[in-house]
Amino acid sequence: GAGVSQSPSNKVTEKGKDVELRCDPISGHTALYWYRQRLGQGLEFLIYFQGNSAPDKSGLPSDRFSAERTGESVSTLTIQRTQQEDSAVYLCASSTRLAGGSYEQYFGPGTRLTVT
Amino acid sequence: GENVEQHPSTLSVQEGDSAVIKCTYSDSASNYFPWYKQELGKGPQLIIDIRSNVGEKKDQRIAVTLNKTAKHFSLHITETQPEDSAVYFCAATPEGQGFSFIFGKGTRLLVKP
Repeated sequence: GAGVSQSPSNKVTEKGKDVELRCDPISGHTALYWYRQRLGQGLEFLIYFQGNSAPDKSGLPSDRFSAERTGESVSTLTIQRTQQEDSAVYLCASSTRLAGGSYEQYFGPGTRLTVT
Repeated sequence: GENVEQHPSTLSVQEGDSAVIKCTYSDSASNYFPWYKQELGKGPQLIIDIRSNVGEKKDQRIAVTLNKTAKHFSLHITETQPEDSAVYFCAATPEGQGFSFIFGKGTRLLVKP
């Protein structure tokens, strides 16, 4: 079946502009995560949505970052007044609870954001 | 909270040799440990995982071992091939909690033909 999709795949924007990144999770997956990955670095957690519960925003680096999710479907990550240090690949992942209680995460291909 | 350390950060092996990547974790409540492979320009892909009720799991050339007492787990790749070249990430998470996927910083594996 279809995996996690993200759009756009690449985004170049000027410093100070707002950007919106989109994530379409796997159908039926209740959990959705956003991560940031700087060049050559590991995965930096940003935000987590689980069903209709309040999202865990503890990883958002500043108030310029926000994310929304409608039910258990599409999510958008918005970065306002972009800065050059926002340049990174933004990865989305979704997961569902398996028998036994664990979760398996499936990642999208990412959106490469370049702020000039 | 959980902290995951991964070593080495880079690993270069000759084709056909074995590669081992090690991770340690701090939270004794963690009991699900996935490994991801990330190829250039792609998102991480789950390649193998292990739960705390077993000490080893194998899938063809890939195996993962877990030592809960010592709080470490390892990825073993045998008979490495050039297409194994990628960045590998380990993670740890408490069973039954949707979040708390704490990732290691990654290991860049290069398999030389």
